[in-house]
Amino acid sequence: SAVISQKPSRDICQRGTSLTIQCQVDSQVTMMFWYRQQPGQSLTLIATANQGSEATYESGFVIDKFPISRPNLTFSTLTVSNMSPEDSSIYLCSGQESTGELFFGEGSRLTVL
Amino acid sequence: RKEVEQDPGPFNVPEGATVAFNCTYSNSASQSFFWYRQDCRKEPKLLMSVYSSGNEDGRFTAQLNRASQYISLLIRDSKLSDSATYLCVVYGPASKIIFGSGTRLSIRP
Repeated sequence: SAVISQKPSRDICQRGTSLTIQCQVDSQVTMMFWYRQQPGQSLTLIATANQGSEATYESGFVIDKFPISRPNLTFSTLTVSNMSPEDSSIYLCSGQESTGELFFGEGSRLTVL
Repeated sequence: RKEVEQDPGPFNVPEGATVAFNCTYSNSASQSFFWYRQDCRKEPKLLMSVYSSGNEDGRFTAQLNRASQYISLLIRDSKLSDSATYLCVVYGPASKIIFGSGTRLSIRP
């Protein structure tokens, strides 16, 4: 299956700042997604990253807080804006192959002080 | 009722035992089903797809019961390395992907 490189793998940030997470896939994929996972919890879908257009956000997530870019079929970024301690979490990028299989980046562990 | 439900566990079983857990889903129009494995502090990885006729991959057997709306995962001759969280993933209508909350499995020597 395809491989996703995600960075940074972890970061510690100050309240009020913003962090951009990058996700690079080694092959073209139709669908790319961004998830959040709190410790001990399952994955929560933030949004679907659409190539060349605005992302599709799930309930509870808005573009101003989590702007997403996807300029081509292999690259996407997620920005966590104006961070607060409640944003501390693991953020995961994923792609979907034609078989339906989801594959994930290694995640970005964010701690907001 | 949650769209996808799993027993969170933890299941704590001795090495060599057989263990099984289920995942129920609420939408009868759900189309595809998968089991993912997630190790501590790692990303989820596909363990196996679940086919209508049931499927087996080595020590792992996955089954789908559409009438009762659940899928199951059976692990035979469990190994220490099987310790992980097992996530049930259901694809609903309009390609909606839903993750279960995961079942924690711990294999003891």
